[in-house]
Amino acid sequence: EAGVAQSPRYKIIEKRQSVAFWCNPISGHATLYWYQQILGQGPKLLIQFQNNGVVDDSQLPKDRFSAERLKGVDSTLKIQPAKLEDSAVYLCASSLVGSGNTIYFGEGSWLTVV
Amino acid sequence: LAKTTQPISMDSYEGQEVNITCSHNNIATNDYITWYQQFPSQGPRFIIQGYKTKVTNEVASLFIPADRKSSTLSLPRVSLSDTAVYYCLEPQGSSNTGKLIFGQGTTLQVKP
Repeated sequence: EAGVAQSPRYKIIEKRQSVAFWCNPISGHATLYWYQQILGQGPKLLIQFQNNGVVDDSQLPKDRFSAERLKGVDSTLKIQPAKLEDSAVYLCASSLVGSGNTIYFGEGSWLTVV
Repeated sequence: LAKTTQPISMDSYEGQEVNITCSHNNIATNDYITWYQQFPSQGPRFIIQGYKTKVTNEVASLFIPADRKSSTLSLPRVSLSDTAVYYCLEPQGSSNTGKLIFGQGTTLQVKP
């Protein structure tokens, strides 16, 4: 079974530039999550989708971050404009509805803002 | 905020048994305790979950006492490849929309 796919794997941008990350969840998983993990910290939930609806985006910095999941499958996370403190790994994860304890993570997209 | 408390770091040697204890004093009646493992440069992965007593799988054992205010993850005979961060998690929200809030985890360093 294919896992959660993410791209790009690595990205270096200058501050004030924009960047987008793409995620393809495990087939059949209706719930999709984006986490931000800063070096030395645990992952922080940014946004949770169920199908194409937002369940929780309370920790998403909406002045610069946006995410969408238009057809209830793939998702895109965008940062515009980027700040130095956005340097982190952006992890996408997915799960079956009602299986919130068991979520499957991708390998992450590593962002460095210089 | 994470609802669980665990040690920041632990050291062990190859072949030893490692026990990582997590406190969750206010665990909800219906909540399970879940543990994830994260290797460097990878996303976290589910390793085990339990409600009470003991659960064992091919990776680890999980002990949860009757009061469920704590749990202990046990890794038998660790090897260098068990060096990772281990997260103890209690889901927040309903079973349909529940989310996992990660704390800092326990960094386990296994030495030769």
